[in-house]
Amino acid sequence: QLQLQESGPGLVKPSETLSLTCDVSGDSISTGSHYWGWIRQPPGKGLEWIGSMHYSGTTYYNPSLKSRLSISLDTSKNQLSLKLSSVTAADTAVYYCARHAQSWGYYYMDVWGKGTTVTVSS
Amino acid sequence: SYVLTQPPSVSVAPGQTATITCGGNKIGREGVNWYQQKPGQAPVLVVYDDNDRPSGIPERFSGSNSDNTATLTINRVEAGDEADYFCQVWDGRSDLGVFGTGTRVSVL
Repeated sequence: QLQLQESGPGLVKPSETLSLTCDVSGDSISTGSHYWGWIRQPPGKGLEWIGSMHYSGTTYYNPSLKSRLSISLDTSKNQLSLKLSSVTAADTAVYYCARHAQSWGYYYMDVWGKGTTVTVSS
Repeated sequence: SYVLTQPPSVSVAPGQTATITCGGNKIGREGVNWYQQKPGQAPVLVVYDDNDRPSGIPERFSGSNSDNTATLTINRVEAGDEADYFCQVWDGRSDLGVFGTGTRVSVL
């Protein structure tokens, strides 16, 4: 059974870099057509898609975050990572990793991790 | 960027039908996906590609999509269906995922 588990610091200072990892079990991130990515949800608000990556190296980023964002895959650890630089309070959110499945060229998130809460505060 | 608009809330009595809309410019041309999120939990995919259900999702959940509106329908609503629901499309022109604003379904 596919499972995703996010981890990382729960508290990040403003202007620093937020770093999260997502451990994947039950599927290999280095095979198939799936992409692997991140979504976040600020407190009391809706979902925001952050970005996704395929093991071939193809990466899609939300343009609003692109200048501060890096997503990578570590196939040896079966793990994906997120780095978001120069964070502010607006980056406070629950961060989810999710597998992206494809249908007719469109992507949807078919399996999600439980999420990890990140607060940006000094 | 592509914008998806949903009503903030929908109320429905148990056993009745809940209808949640998702408006977007020519959304009928896109594949629409729907997620259910209960308080304190991660979202769960309930409909993908307009009207396909993942395994384990009851047949009571169905979707449709035409012109500028996609719709998620929940038949014979149960108390356990009370949750936030989000629509989502993949904007192929910009290669990014887009979520709707979300709808809270309350079961009276």
